Amino acid sequence: NAGVTQTPKFQVLKTGQSMTLQCAQDMNHEYMSWYRQDPGMGLRLIHYSVGAGITDQGEVPNGYNVSRSTTEDFPLRLLSAAPSQTSVYFCASSYSDRGGYGYTFGSGTRLTVV
Amino acid sequence: GNSVTQMEGPVTLSEEAFLTINCTYTATGYPSLFWYVQYPGEGLQLLLKATKADDKGSNKGFEATYRKETTSFHLEKGSVQVSDSAVYFCALRSYSGAGSYQLTFGKGTKLSVIP
Repeated sequence: NAGVTQTPKFQVLKTGQSMTLQCAQDMNHEYMSWYRQDPGMGLRLIHYSVGAGITDQGEVPNGYNVSRSTTEDFPLRLLSAAPSQTSVYFCASSYSDRGGYGYTFGSGTRLTVV
Repeated sequence: GNSVTQMEGPVTLSEEAFLTINCTYTATGYPSLFWYVQYPGEGLQLLLKATKADDKGSNKGFEATYRKETTSFHLEKGSVQVSDSAVYFCALRSYSGAGSYQLTFGKGTKLSVIP
């Protein structure tokens, strides 16, 4: 049981480049989300999905796109990388977005934009 | 809107000391409350949770009680170990508008336990 798998673990981009952060879960969770973690800021929600074909914006969506074509996968696309997007990115999934269901987190992608 | 306030760290304790990390919240409706732990270089892991007032969540010697009257969910452990060194996040899940229930995190409290 792999849980939530994120790739890559580390990435360096040049300003203006694009890339996709991959996230896959094997728990048949309906809810998936992307967070970024910055020092002193806690975790901030970028985008989320309550099921295949359904996505919505979180607190800090600008500069990022997502899609959810299958239950298992929820990739995050950086359209044109900026230094302000240097951060650690976490994907998380849950059986439901409601009640007491906990989130399962991936191990993170550390992104540096130069 | 929903928000979570945690005591600022870092917190440094000696092994076997008593730990309290304060957490208070503001939320609409009746939130579910969580504590997550993040070890160095890893993602967050669910530590414990409580879904209604007066519930006590517990795990690995940690515990927290959902206090609706004081809107608090303080994390406690009677005797910390070096292996408890990590960053601890308080979080709530409540209705955040437009049919959405989101998890809102505090900023985290770094705990260091020294032998």
